[in-house]
Parts: sequence; C-alpha cells; structure tokens
Amino acid sequence: AQSVTQLGSHVSVSEGALVLLRCNYSSSVPPYLFWYVQYPNQGLQLLLKYTSAATLVKGINGFEAEFKKSETSFHLTKPSAHMSDAAEYFCAVSYAGKSTFGDGTTLTVKP
Amino acid sequence: DADVTQTPRNRITKTGKRIMLECSQTKGHDRMYWYRQDPGLGLRLIYYSFDVKDINKGEISDGYSVSRQAQAKFSLSLESAIPNQTALYFCATSDFGTSGTPGRNEQFFGPGTRLTVL
Repeated sequence: AQSVTQLGSHVSVSEGALVLLRCNYSSSVPPYLFWYVQYPNQGLQLLLKYTSAATLVKGINGFEAEFKKSETSFHLTKPSAHMSDAAEYFCAVSYAGKSTFGDGTTLTVKP
Repeated sequence: DADVTQTPRNRITKTGKRIMLECSQTKGHDRMYWYRQDPGLGLRLIYYSFDVKDINKGEISDGYSVSRQAQAKFSLSLESAIPNQTALYFCATSDFGTSGTPGRNEQFFGPGTRLTVL
C-alpha cells in the first residue's frame, strides 16, 4: 500500500525567502512521486515528477524536489518565493495507475 | 479549449435528489478518475476506469456510481444526495504511456465541480 504524509498544512514565507514543503512517502515498491499545485478555483496541475531517473527533479516555475530513498522523502523547494506561488500544494505517490495524495499544504507568501 | 471539462461547475441541490456530474476529455487518454476534495483531507478517489469496459471502486465509493459512456466521457452520479457529500469534485485523466509501466504518468485534472447538498 502507498501513502503520503505532508508535514505542515500551512506554510508562510516572505517574498524572496526559501520555500520548503515537506513530503514523506510509504511505498512497498519503487515509487513514482509527484507534486501538484492548485490555484484558487482551479484543478490541480503538475509541478514535477520523479520516475526513477535523476533524484533531483526540476519542475515549472523554479520549483525542484529531491528524492531521498533513505529518508523516504520528496521535499519541494524553491530558492526565492514569489507572490504568485501562493497556492495549495499536493504530494502524490502512484502505483498501478492509481495515485494517493497527501492532505495538502497551503503556501502563503507575505510581501 | 480545455482538455478536461466538467459540467456543471457549481450545483446546489437538496437532500435525496439524484445528481449527475459529467466529465469529458479531448486528450485521448484511456484512464479516467473521479475524486472528491474536502478541506484538510486532500483528494480521495471515488471511482476509476482504465478503459470503457473497466470500472473500479476507489476508497470512498459508497453512495456514488459511475458510467463510462465512451473513452472520452465519464460520469459520476449521486443516487440520493446527502449533506456530507458536499465537496469539490474533480475528474482526471491519465495516459498508460509507452513505457508500459503503470503509474508513471501524471494525471490531468478538470476545473472541478462545487457541489452543495442542503
């Protein structure tokens, strides 16, 4: 069975500060891992995905995530937050065509 | 035009009414999914379909049913709506892909349907 835990339901950073959103997973098989972003009144869209190639994955809008098998983690980072990054972020693990999502982290960016 | 569309976008109904939410996609994907989103609970899978003749229950299928009318269409029905089915509902699609490895490919989401059951 697969599961995902996102640490921190709300994260607040200042504009220009580092963004770190935490995700830990549990999977009985090598995982496929994803980060999605949801802007207000919209569906989810893919930020980046890990599919067993490079452990450091770069995504859209300057985000990246590092797969660490020893820590069962896939944390999302961005060096410098923009106001437009304010949204809800979901980590997901996928197997056999089904995804399991974390509870989400709402990112607030303060001016 | 949007690749995954959902109708209606908003719906208010009363307890006991039958409701159908519709999803259409132009991405040519075989796999389609229905999720509900509740604050603080992430997305939970209601039903999924890997092709027209394949329908599977997700983790919270009680009180819901689905119909896969065509590769491009996947409808979700609430036979007798109740207030705790008030939520945001999302349809999503996915491609099996050329890798032959299930789960490798991301899902593409519709804009959601906000359902309120009074």
